Amino acid sequence: AQKITQTQPGMFVQEKEAVTLDCTYDTSDPSYGLFWYKQPSSGEMIFLIYQGSYDQQNATEGRYSLNFQKARKSANLVISASQLGDSAMYFCAMREGLRDGTASKLTFGTGTRLQVTL
Amino acid sequence: KAGVTQTPRYLIKTRGQQVTLSCSPISGHRSVSWYQQTPGQGLQFLFEYFSETQRNKGNFPGRFSGRQFSNSRSEMNVSTLELGDSALYLCASRLGAVHNEQFFGPGTRLTVL
Repeated sequence: AQKITQTQPGMFVQEKEAVTLDCTYDTSDPSYGLFWYKQPSSGEMIFLIYQGSYDQQNATEGRYSLNFQKARKSANLVISASQLGDSAMYFCAMREGLRDGTASKLTFGTGTRLQVTL
Repeated sequence: KAGVTQTPRYLIKTRGQQVTLSCSPISGHRSVSWYQQTPGQGLQFLFEYFSETQRNKGNFPGRFSGRQFSNSRSEMNVSTLELGDSALYLCASRLGAVHNEQFFGPGTRLTVL
């Protein structure tokens, strides 16, 4: 089974509108972290936001917020007031094993290509 | 504070050759991880180093190896290159082994002919 599933290969959104990028995950580990990264065409992975499995509140960073629904195992990224510069690939990722100190690798989804239009 | 730097940014090699990629983490960061990104396989974890020790290794053949120096800089080596090794190789650093925020460099795009 896929650990991280991003079901939207591509999304379009108009400038200044909000958009939600979906991410579901699969883990039996009670201690994990969820990440969203943005990858423009230049290739660099830009860290956007992090949510820990024990965090009580949804993470927010500026225009980015993470809609964390633990029971449904979903961690959707919400971008408010989209800008043309938001056009990029967006990856959801998970790190397991936070509690026992073995946490190492990030497991990535296949990504969603977001295109912001005028 | 400078970000993660990777050199070279682009590289062209032929099958059978070997290649060494370099990564300098953010100042003060002691953990360095390497990832391979290809259109077919997506982003895959290669290995992570912390304080010069390999902490974890992904499912890659022994041709892929790495090391970390005392200043936290890391190198990744691929020997006997194959066409399928063509990829974007991304390096990421974080403060320590238990810190979660991880920052990536711009990547090295390797093309194997």
